[in-house]
Amino acid sequence: ETGVTQTPRHLVMGMTNKKSLKCEQHLGHNAMYWYKQSAKKPLELMFVYSLEERVENNSVPSRFSPECPNSSHLFLHLHTLQPEDSALYLCASSRTYGAGGHTDTQYFGPGTRLTVL
Amino acid sequence: DQQVKQNSPSLSVQEGRISILNCDYTNSMFDYFLWYKKYPAEGPTFLISISSIKDKNEDGRFTVFLNKSAKHLSLHIVPSQPGDSAVYFCAASEQTGANNLFFGTGTRLTVIP
Repeated sequence: ETGVTQTPRHLVMGMTNKKSLKCEQHLGHNAMYWYKQSAKKPLELMFVYSLEERVENNSVPSRFSPECPNSSHLFLHLHTLQPEDSALYLCASSRTYGAGGHTDTQYFGPGTRLTVL
Repeated sequence: DQQVKQNSPSLSVQEGRISILNCDYTNSMFDYFLWYKKYPAEGPTFLISISSIKDKNEDGRFTVFLNKSAKHLSLHIVPSQPGDSAVYFCAASEQTGANNLFFGTGTRLTVIP
């Protein structure tokens, strides 16, 4: 596979469930991102990992827990979510993060459509 | 408060004509701007970008114009093709420092054959 892949593509979960979203990039990039897109809202940056270290956490509730075991994989662990967390969750990667002087293009996966009942 | 705004949620254009998508921003620190295109069931894909040192960047049928004093940018597609039908997102960032992108809500373009 090429580019950025995400699994599952669709997920329905109850508020008491625990689930994980997976992202894999095949581009040799060093930075990975989680975004949330709610209906009629712009993409919101949730987390950024650079060289497997978390560098951004944009006031995301603790019921969302990211994990980056290596530079190719990124997970988003979900537990005790609320119905308002239903959204499209997008993963992205870029060659570098915060290199200064140049904004590296971010490449997005297809997203996971999450529904919380 | 949204720092990047796309005030037109949708736009319909005849095939062969020009499509103009608009974007406004409020943060004067933004100095790098991008357009992404998104088809259904796919992630956004990078289309074209412009740095604040320029006021125009062209790539084939796509041209982005930047008006820094008005904090406004636009994407022109000429000629429009049915395959251009998608949602277009404007994004902005500060080049110095982090890569954080701030996105607009998108404009759905429909090109009518």
